[in-house]
Amino acid sequence: IAGITQAPTSQILAAGRRMTLRCTQDMRHNAMYWYRQDLGLGLRLIHYSNTAGTTGKGEVPDGYSVSRANTDDFPLTLASAVPSQTSVYFCASSEREGTYNEQFFGPGTRLTVL
Amino acid sequence: GQNIDQPTEMTATEGAIVQINCTYQTSGFNGLFWYQQHAGEAPTFLSYNVLDGLEEKGRFSSFLSRSKGYSYLLLKELQMKDSASYLCAVADSNYQLIWGAGTKLIIKP
Repeated sequence: IAGITQAPTSQILAAGRRMTLRCTQDMRHNAMYWYRQDLGLGLRLIHYSNTAGTTGKGEVPDGYSVSRANTDDFPLTLASAVPSQTSVYFCASSEREGTYNEQFFGPGTRLTVL
Repeated sequence: GQNIDQPTEMTATEGAIVQINCTYQTSGFNGLFWYQQHAGEAPTFLSYNVLDGLEEKGRFSSFLSRSKGYSYLLLKELQMKDSASYLCAVADSNYQLIWGAGTKLIIKP
């Protein structure tokens, strides 16, 4: 693995189903982030984690949950998907939170909820 | 509220120079980032400014004026591969990035 990987690449999901988007990084970065990107809008932060074992809510956390059991993995779960969660989801990481925190992005997951 | 404004779309000619502007209003300021995003791909880091002035990196330069809440990204000697969206993001008082919607740059031969 080099950098950040996300799985799946794309997914079509029925409304009401549960879905977990996976994110793994091999850079030993402390901070990780989940964003969604919608046409005409900037990237919006869903949840973040400054270090393993801690998580925080971003701008649009409702309907999503995260966990950070270890440094490398940061899965995002949609408990009961709704059509408004149709979006492209990006996972990102940075060496640490605060100060200069250049973020490195995974390739994204394109999710469609019908 | 927090707000990042940048033009939706710009068109330029191969070999020319283009300036993409970004204005911001945020709760606190801990630096401004520019990212490049090709269609269907992830954003990649271009530049970071935290002090006023110009930062030059090859064909790309980024300028910041904190008093005006203003930045621009300058791209010189445009190449077709520069066709992409350019995202402006500001680190707020909590060091969270607030993102603009991006400027789609179209390069014509």
